[in-house]
Amino acid sequence: QKEVEQDPGPLSVPEGAIVSLNCTYSNSAFQYFMWYRQYSRKGPELLMYTYSSGNKEDGRFTAQVDKSSKYISLFIRDSQPSDSATYLCAMSASAGGTSYGKLTFGQGTILTVHP
Amino acid sequence: DAGVIQSPRHEVTEMGQEVTLRCKPISGHDYLFWYRQTMMRGLELLIYFNNNVPIDDSGMPEDRFSAKMPNASFSTLKIQPSEPRDSAVYFCASSLVQGGGAFFGQGTRLTVV
Repeated sequence: QKEVEQDPGPLSVPEGAIVSLNCTYSNSAFQYFMWYRQYSRKGPELLMYTYSSGNKEDGRFTAQVDKSSKYISLFIRDSQPSDSATYLCAMSASAGGTSYGKLTFGQGTILTVHP
Repeated sequence: DAGVIQSPRHEVTEMGQEVTLRCKPISGHDYLFWYRQTMMRGLELLIYFNNNVPIDDSGMPEDRFSAKMPNASFSTLKIQPSEPRDSAVYFCASSLVQGGGAFFGQGTRLTVV
């Protein structure tokens, strides 16, 4: 079993829809949670960064972390065709041990927003 | 800041040749990561450095792979000899805060024929 599981999709939605992307994980040591967006033939771009449980909002994007369920989500409101990309979740552990700075990624979800 | 800079952007080489990928991290960042991305396996961490010192190289697939960070502004990933199964996109990333988000370069697309 992978440490981080993410449904690869693909996910296709109409413009203006609310998009929900999710990851589950098994490592209780993960404390830092990130979402990256990757356009075709580009490097991953950091979208959201959260620490421990809770919500964080940035414009049309909301990240949620539920550590009790080992489940994280990214919501995109009023989705636009320019949001079409692969979305990757990533996590890292808290202080201590050699895994401290290491990021573990999900497989990525391919999202298409059609006009 | 120009972000993480990688070179070359594309590399095509013949099996058995030595390949060197280069990375300049964001100034002031103290973590540097090398990742490999393929369709089958996604993003895999190969090795990462903290303050120029290798911390975890457990992701390096074989002895054919080696990485160095001679100073805070430069790192290389070398494959010798290269094989067709090494074909992938190799990303370098750097971060400032321990456990925080990493910032990625544009990647080097390696094709070994």
